[in-house]
Amino acid sequence: NAGVMQNPRHLVRRRGQEARLRCSPMKGHSHVYWYRQLPEEGLKFMVYLQKENIIDESGMPKERFSAEFPKEGPSILRIQQVVRGDSAAYFCASSPFRQGVDEQYFGPGTRLTVT
Amino acid sequence: QQPVQSPQAVILREGEDAVINCSSSKALYSVHWYRQKHGEAPVFLMILLKGGEQKGHEKISASFNEKKQQSSLYLTASQLSYSGTYFCGTENSNTGKLIFGQGTTLQVKP
Repeated sequence: NAGVMQNPRHLVRRRGQEARLRCSPMKGHSHVYWYRQLPEEGLKFMVYLQKENIIDESGMPKERFSAEFPKEGPSILRIQQVVRGDSAAYFCASSPFRQGVDEQYFGPGTRLTVT
Repeated sequence: QQPVQSPQAVILREGEDAVINCSSSKALYSVHWYRQKHGEAPVFLMILLKGGEQKGHEKISASFNEKKQQSSLYLTASQLSYSGTYFCGTENSNTGKLIFGQGTTLQVKP
C-alpha cells in the first residue's frame, strides 16, 4: 500500500507566478489535511478536506490560497501570485477517518521556494 | 489555541532519559505525538484520547493527565535514532482540526 504521495517535491516559482501542489492520499483515505512549515518552525494547520468538501479552512489565508479535493484525482493546494513569504515546506496528511481519533499519515512534503 | 511544549531543546548522551511536556489551558479532546527528522516528514508516534491514559512501550511512552490538559512523552534509554524534533498535536474539541506545538528538539550524542 503506497503511502501519501506529494508532487512536486521541490518547486521554484518567481514572485507573481502560481504554485500548484498535489497530494494523493493513501488508498482508502478520504480525509486530507494541509500544513505549512516555515524553516525551523512547527506545523501550521491550513485546511481539512473530505472528498469534494472543505471541512475547515480556518488556517488558510483568505487571499491567493485555495484547496480542493475532487471526487477523482489528488487534492490540490493552489497559491496564486506567490510572494517570498510563501516559501515553506507544505505537507499533506491523510487519514481513513476523522483526524482527531485517528493517526495521520504524512507525505514527504513539497518545498516551495519563491525567488 | 496552540499547546505549549517544554523544554524547547534537550541534549542527551546515549542511554539517558528525557521527558517532553505538552500543555494546554483548556481540556483537550486528543493528543498526538510526532517525531520529525530534519528535511523529512513527521512520523506518527502515538495518540491519546482518555484522561489518565498511558500508552506506548518501555522505550517510548506517553501519558495524558486526568484533566486532559497535559501530556508527557517519555524517552527511556535514548538511542542516536531518537534525535529529531518532537511535536505534540492537540485537538480542542471533536472538530478534526489538529494544532501543533512549537516543537522540542532532541539531540542524542554518543
